[in-house]
Amino acid sequence: GDSVTQMEGPVTLSEEAFLTINCTYTATGYPSLFWYVQYPGEGLQLLLKATKADDKGSNKGFEATYRKETTSFHLEKGSVQVSDSAVYFCALSFMDSSYKLIFGSGTRLLVRP
Amino acid sequence: DSGVTQTPKHLITATGQRVTLRCSPRSGDLSVYWYQQSLDQGLQFLIQYYNGEERAKGNILERFSAQQFPDLHSELNLSSLELGDSALYFCASSVEPQLSSGNTIYFGEGSWLTVV
Repeated sequence: GDSVTQMEGPVTLSEEAFLTINCTYTATGYPSLFWYVQYPGEGLQLLLKATKADDKGSNKGFEATYRKETTSFHLEKGSVQVSDSAVYFCALSFMDSSYKLIFGSGTRLLVRP
Repeated sequence: DSGVTQTPKHLITATGQRVTLRCSPRSGDLSVYWYQQSLDQGLQFLIQYYNGEERAKGNILERFSAQQFPDLHSELNLSSLELGDSALYFCASSVEPQLSSGNTIYFGEGSWLTVV
């Protein structure tokens, strides 16, 4: 079935370090891809999305490119801040009758001052 | 604040009991989703409603049921609770029921359920 695989966490970085969180997917069709972020004590927030191959989603300094050839959607940020500490979820969905999201297991990011 | 309101925020109950979780979607949103986030199974889609009708069903147990009322709020009913049902239950909402360029899903802060 359709699924999303994320790198295990936690990922611990120093402030201003470069961030990469890997995400790969398995899907029978052509999904749209998403990154959601969950800050402590809060719900999930959409961070960015891409709807077709080679699209790049970006928001708040984060970027991810939809790579169909490698079935990947890795999240990157050039310089992380302490405030970026959160759990990041990669997800996919299809343009059909339902907007259900299939999530990866989440990756916790800890940024130290 | 996403605009999606969930109550209660925390709930502790005993095995075998029944609980009801409530969700009020964002103003104007017609579609409501329920997700379960547990340590062993991660974040899983349970069920979706659109304008009062069931739209899609995921990995929802038979002991669980949901409905969306005419005022668009939704309730998730969990019965014969087991220890493994302990989880964070998220509600989410969107204007339209399907993925489209302008349609975004907004999540509430979740209801923590602990079964003891």
